[in-house]
Amino acid sequence: DTGVSQDPRHKITKRGQNVTFRCDPISEHNRLYWYRQTLGQGPEFLTYFQNEAQLEKSRLLSDRFSAERPKGSFSTLEIQRTEQGDSAMYLCASSSRQEGNIQYFGAGTRLSVL
Amino acid sequence: SQQGEEDPQALSIQEGENATMNCSYKTSINNLQWYRQNSGRGLVHLILIRSNEREKHSGRLRVTLDTSKKSSSLLITASRAADTASYFCATSASGGYNKLIFGAGTRLAVHP
Repeated sequence: DTGVSQDPRHKITKRGQNVTFRCDPISEHNRLYWYRQTLGQGPEFLTYFQNEAQLEKSRLLSDRFSAERPKGSFSTLEIQRTEQGDSAMYLCASSSRQEGNIQYFGAGTRLSVL
Repeated sequence: SQQGEEDPQALSIQEGENATMNCSYKTSINNLQWYRQNSGRGLVHLILIRSNEREKHSGRLRVTLDTSKKSSSLLITASRAADTASYFCATSASGGYNKLIFGAGTRLAVHP
């Protein structure tokens, strides 16, 4: 499968715990995005990487959130001291310069904070 | 906050009928895309229309764009039960790093 893969698919955690999600983009894509989606809403942009550089962060990305893409390949999104309001689907997408900004999405990681 | 607004929020039709969904946005755009999302899954790109285009077709899909009204429509002809999904419009602003701004989506149900 050469699509975008995300791990884990589901994560249940207790309030106050830290969680980390991983995204593996399509191999030749240099652009990687994270979005958050709550029930009944469209995805909301969190952050964007071009290669290993994090070029844009949404105001939604509080200081409890951190994202990395250390070698310009896979990316991780960490949420520290989780809150119930962090419960959502976290989507990763990637794109290539050749296709403009058509983005290919992974299946997402559904986070439930109890 | 999200830029786009989709209308209607939900649409229920019979197989074979056409489905029309509308999207409005607020700021100048570089292009507009439509994505489909099956329940609990990731999004799948359907079609992209550039700001200098007015209409585009892809299979059973027809998209229109009216930049003067800041609106777009997606028409699915001869719908099938497999078209049941949520449909989102997404805009990309000029000069940005291509992040997408999504609307809240239209939930389409196609009944056999």
